[in-house]
Amino acid sequence: QKEVEQDPGPLSVPEGAIVSLNCTYSNSAFQYFMWYRQYSRKGPELLMYTYSSGNKEDGRFTAQVDKSSKYISLFIRDSQPSDSATYLCAMVIQGAQKLVFGQGTRLTINP
Amino acid sequence: SAVISQKPSRDICQRGTSLTIQCQVDSQVTMMFWYRQQPGQSLTLIATANQGSEATYESGFVIDKFPISRPNLTFSTLTVSNMSPEDSSIYLCSVTQREWENIQYFGAGTRLSVL
Repeated sequence: QKEVEQDPGPLSVPEGAIVSLNCTYSNSAFQYFMWYRQYSRKGPELLMYTYSSGNKEDGRFTAQVDKSSKYISLFIRDSQPSDSATYLCAMVIQGAQKLVFGQGTRLTINP
Repeated sequence: SAVISQKPSRDICQRGTSLTIQCQVDSQVTMMFWYRQQPGQSLTLIATANQGSEATYESGFVIDKFPISRPNLTFSTLTVSNMSPEDSSIYLCSVTQREWENIQYFGAGTRLSVL
């Protein structure tokens, strides 16, 4: 079993829809959780960063962490075609430097 | 965040040859990392590039195959040695800017195809 599981998709939704992306993990020592966005032929770009449980909102993006369920989510409201990309979850143990990534979910927003 | 430049952006190489990938940052950073991203796959950490000492390799990666240098706080190289088609992948450099920080910032990557 992988430490971090993420449905690779592909996921295709119409413009304006609410998108929900999710990851589950097995290691309860993970404390920091990130979402990266990767456009085709580009490197991953940090989108959201959260510590421990709870929600964090940034514009149209909301990151949610449920440590009791070992489950993290990224919500995208009013999705735009420019949101079409691969979204990678990543997490790290406190005090460690090594990020553990999910497989990435390929998302397409259709105009 | 730091600006990270990787060269080359892509290359096509022959089996048995070696390629050196450069990673240049516009400011001094504490940690530099090298990742591999195979087609349709996630990122796999190859090694942590340590300034002034040997790199720290992850399980499954060895120095003879992936020698790494980090001569200063803004530059690192990764060499992919004696290449085979299985080495075809995207190679990514990332950095953390502060010692206590675990957010990593990535370069655009080097797309390598081995024939």
